[in-house]
Amino acid sequence: LAKTTQPISMDSYEGQEVNITCSHNNIATNDYITWYQQFPSQGPRFIIQGYKTKVTNEVASLFIPADRKSSTLSLPRVSLSDTAVYYCLVGVSYGGSQGNLIFGKGTKLSVKP
Amino acid sequence: GAVVSQHPSWVICKSGTSVKIECRSLDFQATTMFWYRQFPKQSLMLMATSNEGSKATYEQGVEKDKFLINHASLTLSTLTVTSAHPEDSSFYICSAPSRSFRGESYEQYFGPGTRLTVT
Repeated sequence: LAKTTQPISMDSYEGQEVNITCSHNNIATNDYITWYQQFPSQGPRFIIQGYKTKVTNEVASLFIPADRKSSTLSLPRVSLSDTAVYYCLVGVSYGGSQGNLIFGKGTKLSVKP
Repeated sequence: GAVVSQHPSWVICKSGTSVKIECRSLDFQATTMFWYRQFPKQSLMLMATSNEGSKATYEQGVEKDKFLINHASLTLSTLTVTSAHPEDSSFYICSAPSRSFRGESYEQYFGPGTRLTVT
């Protein structure tokens, strides 16, 4: 499974756009990129998943360059409630025994008023 | 989206006793579930893969005789911490994969976690 590297922490202010970049140089052809959000004492929550180019949903956008060796999670106009740890995971679109996910250290995002 | 529940949400037990944690997929079937452990201010660590109808697969360094996993149905996996000790105190989280909305890939759905404190 591809290893991921993210910044340990980031600070932002309410209303700003936040971009968190994740490096995954060893990503395999079949790997998808998935981002999760985790609040203290809660299980991770799925944010967005993509394979290439750009994906957008109601909460975030995911930008993936052509070489797929990195990805950027974009959170528009963050609020205090977006303060959490964000994990970037790379792995095979689950199938058989390949679905287990290896979590990196994540990025602790702190949003200030 | 798919929902995964865990029970109990928190438990306190005495050293030497055993504790069972349940993980249920509420609106979908999961032939495979995953168990994680998370210590304070650390990332999630995969402990084992739970397979319905067969033995679980444990990650390196995880004692299979201490952390018993049973996946007896397509919607339920249990983790039993046997002879618990204070160092087993942690946040235990399970997950199960389900097809994404578009059906192109799978997404992991995580339970809310179980806080275990061993005194």
